[in-house]
Amino acid sequence: GENVEQHPSTLSVQEGDSAVIKCTYSDSASNYFPWYKQELGKGPQLIIDIRSNVGEKKDQRIAVTLNKTAKHFSLHITETQPEDSAVYFCAANYRGSQGNLIFGKGTKLSVKP
Amino acid sequence: NAGVTQTPKFRVLKTGQSMTLLCAQDMNHEYMYWYRQDPGMGLRLIHYSVGEGTTAKGEVPDGYNVSRLKKQNFLLGLESAAPSQTSVYFCASSYPSGGLNTEAFFGQGTRLTVV
Repeated sequence: GENVEQHPSTLSVQEGDSAVIKCTYSDSASNYFPWYKQELGKGPQLIIDIRSNVGEKKDQRIAVTLNKTAKHFSLHITETQPEDSAVYFCAANYRGSQGNLIFGKGTKLSVKP
Repeated sequence: NAGVTQTPKFRVLKTGQSMTLLCAQDMNHEYMYWYRQDPGMGLRLIHYSVGEGTTAKGEVPDGYNVSRLKKQNFLLGLESAAPSQTSVYFCASSYPSGGLNTEAFFGQGTRLTVV
């Protein structure tokens, strides 16, 4: 079946450094790639998404890049802050299942002050 | 605006017992989903619904049933709970626009333990 691979599973950075999380997807028909942030004890919350007709999208300290040829996309967080500490999930829609999202297994980001 | 509300937040079941998890959304979303989250496994889709009165199987549907009698509610049932169903369950809803995916809104989760 279709899948989304996410790396690394854990990431520790110093406050102020940048963090990068990478995902690859298998369905060449996927055209929607959201990133979710999950804080402890809460449900996932969308932080940024990108569609296949653009290669990059930015929102303040967060950016996502997409390489359709290689079928991978990445989340970039600059000037990290302790409140960025959370689990981050990437996802891709699976066109063969009414566009349902397939999630990566998550990256636990720790930002040390 | 409450968004997506899940009931209950915590539950402990004995093997073989049954229960129903309730999800309610007040955003008039067409699509609703039930996921389970296990350590190191990410979010896996159990069942979903694309509108009132419709349901469909996701990636891991065995042992679960669902119903969508009203647009705002999506129920997940466990007929005979097993320890393998110990997990955190999340409900989500979305409103695809023009056939395009849009943001999925998640509830706070239900932590279920089957002993």
